[in-house]
Amino acid sequence: NAGVMQNPRHLVRRRGQEARLRCSPMKGHSHVYWYRQLPEEGLKFMVYLQKENIIDESGMPKERFSAEFPKEGPSILRIQQVVRGDSAAYFCASSPRQGYTEAFFGQGTRLTVV
Amino acid sequence: QQPVQSPQAVILREGEDAVINCSSSKALYSVHWYRQKHGEAPVFLMILLKGGEQKGHEKISASFNEKKQQSSLYLTASQLSYSGTYFCGTGPPGETSGSRLTFGEGTQLTVNP
Repeated sequence: NAGVMQNPRHLVRRRGQEARLRCSPMKGHSHVYWYRQLPEEGLKFMVYLQKENIIDESGMPKERFSAEFPKEGPSILRIQQVVRGDSAAYFCASSPRQGYTEAFFGQGTRLTVV
Repeated sequence: QQPVQSPQAVILREGEDAVINCSSSKALYSVHWYRQKHGEAPVFLMILLKGGEQKGHEKISASFNEKKQQSSLYLTASQLSYSGTYFCGTGPPGETSGSRLTFGEGTQLTVNP
């Protein structure tokens, strides 16, 4: 049973470009969470999605950031018009159902904005 | 509000013990402990759900004191494989799930031979 898969592992974007980060949850998992980790800092919750629904986006910046988890396919975190401050590691985690105590994390996408 | 972890970093020799603390200014409903090795995914260690409860994972155990609003992670007879950054995470009020956690800044643990 493959774990949470994130791609790409590393992404370099120039300022002003768009970044699309993909996350395929573990098989059978329908709940996905995105976290951002700035260098030398802890993980910060961004958004919680269930298939085709955004459950909680209280940690998402108001502009330029969006997330989706379609019925088919991976969850996508999209960052428009990236700025240097967006450089970070973005982690996705999944769980099989609401209320499940353990979150299974992917290996992250390291975004570098140049 | 983000929980506060202490110490920020600790260096041990193999076989030594360590304690990592996690405190919150808000009431705690659940405390989740994760370990992250450099460049890798955070890995779940354990969850504490009740005050005063201790859970164990091999030679790693943890306690949860609701009154003091803190949790402590105990690593005994440390092994080289314990090296990594340890994060505590707290959930929203009334929730025990692993979603929407607020993580501390982490404690970097280095175990040397």
